[in-house]
Amino acid sequence: NAGVTQTPKFQVLKTGQSMTLQCAQDMNHEYMSWYRQDPGMGLRLIHYSVGAGITDQGEVPNGYNVSRSTTEDFPLRLLSAAPSQTSVYFCASSNLQGLAGVSDTQYFGPGTRLTVL
Amino acid sequence: KQEVTQIPAALSVPEGENLVLNCSFTDSAIYNLQWFRQDPGKGLTSLLLIQSSQREQTSGRLNASLDKSSGRSTLYIAASQPGDSATYLCAAISSGSARQLTFGSGTQLTVLP
Repeated sequence: NAGVTQTPKFQVLKTGQSMTLQCAQDMNHEYMSWYRQDPGMGLRLIHYSVGAGITDQGEVPNGYNVSRSTTEDFPLRLLSAAPSQTSVYFCASSNLQGLAGVSDTQYFGPGTRLTVL
Repeated sequence: KQEVTQIPAALSVPEGENLVLNCSFTDSAIYNLQWFRQDPGKGLTSLLLIQSSQREQTSGRLNASLDKSSGRSTLYIAASQPGDSATYLCAAISSGSARQLTFGSGTQLTVLP
């Protein structure tokens, strides 16, 4: 199992550019989410998904879009990058239900460090 | 709104010492509580997950407890090693479909050889 993978590891954008951060998991998890981590602000939820075709907004969704066409993939799109989106982005996944014998531990990817100039 | 606080913000101990990291949360209606470690420039590694119906979980030298009524969790590390040096984060997980993790600001642990 590769777990949760993210690409790229590093990215530098200019203001106004768009890009997609990739996230994939091979654990057949229904639940996937995106967080950003900023100094002094901690980790904050951007968007989440409880299954293919279902997405919803988290705490800080503005400026970001997501889609979930497959169970495995959950890309995060920056529509028009702004310096305020400079951050480290983490993708996470877990089983959705805390069923007996099934852990719903949330697993995080290694992160993407994004700088917007 | 859930708020999570971790004390102390930083801790330095000699190798071999047992230590306790503290986490408190304001809303006791949590689904789960999870402890992570984060090494500099790296992602989050899950250490322990405590279901809301449980009082503690153990993994190796780590033991995490949960007291929902008082809004507290502790992470106990036995016989600390230099390799334990990292930032430790606790996260309260909300009920409902969002399953949002509300993180504390972390405790930066340094274990001196």
